[in-house]
Amino acid sequence: DAKTTQPTSMDCAEGRAANLPCNHSTISGNEYVYWYRQIHSQGPQYIIHGLKNNETNEMASLIITEDRKSSTLILPHATLRDTAVYYCIVFGNEKLTFGTGTRLTIIP
Amino acid sequence: NAGVMQNPRHLVRRRGQEARLRCSPMKGHSHVYWYRQLPEEGLKFMVYLQKENIIDESGMPKERFSAEFPKEGPSILRIQQVVRGDSAAYFCASSPRPLSVDGYTFGSGTRLTVV
Repeated sequence: DAKTTQPTSMDCAEGRAANLPCNHSTISGNEYVYWYRQIHSQGPQYIIHGLKNNETNEMASLIITEDRKSSTLILPHATLRDTAVYYCIVFGNEKLTFGTGTRLTIIP
Repeated sequence: NAGVMQNPRHLVRRRGQEARLRCSPMKGHSHVYWYRQLPEEGLKFMVYLQKENIIDESGMPKERFSAEFPKEGPSILRIQQVVRGDSAAYFCASSPRPLSVDGYTFGSGTRLTVV
C-alpha cells in the first residue's frame, strides 16, 4: 500500500538532466521522502532523502514542494549507467515500503 | 568496510528441499530487514529483526518461512519444503537504529531458483 504515485516509465537522453516526479499528497509532517534505485537486478541503492528542504548530494538533487505533496528527483547529467528503476518512498516510523517505481531509460 | 553481505548469491533447490539464506549486516548495524522480489515485481517487505528478536513479521508467509538473527552470526532466512513459487530474489538490508532515518543499506541479494 504505497503512499506515492510515480510514472511507470520515462526516457532521458544521455547527458541531459533526468527529472523524476513523485506525488505523495497524503504525506504527514514527520515523514521523509526517500529515493532508491535498483539497477537491473541488483540490490536497491540509496540515492537521497529529505524532509522539507531541498537536498543535494553527489548523486542527485531532491526538490520538495512547499506543501510537501510532491517532489522531483533530478539527476543532473544522466549517463547510461543511470538506467534503473527509481523508487520514491515516504518513510516515517514504519518500514520502507516500495511501490512499483519509475523505469528510467537513458538513451544514447 | 564491507557492506551488507548476502550469501549465497545464487541458490538452486529442488521442490521439497530447504533453503537457507544468510545476511551479515554492516558493521555497527543491529537491525535487519528481509525483502522478497518476485520476477518482474517490486520488493515486498517480509520481516524486521533485531538481535535475538523478531520485531515485525507481517510480510512473512504463514507457513514454511522463518527468520532469525542470533546474538552471534548472520541473520538467516529459512524456507522449508520449497515450491516453485518461492523462486525469487531475496534482499537483506540493515540499519544502525530501528527504522533509521539514515535509511537502509541493501545487500546484493540471493537469487533462489526452485526446480
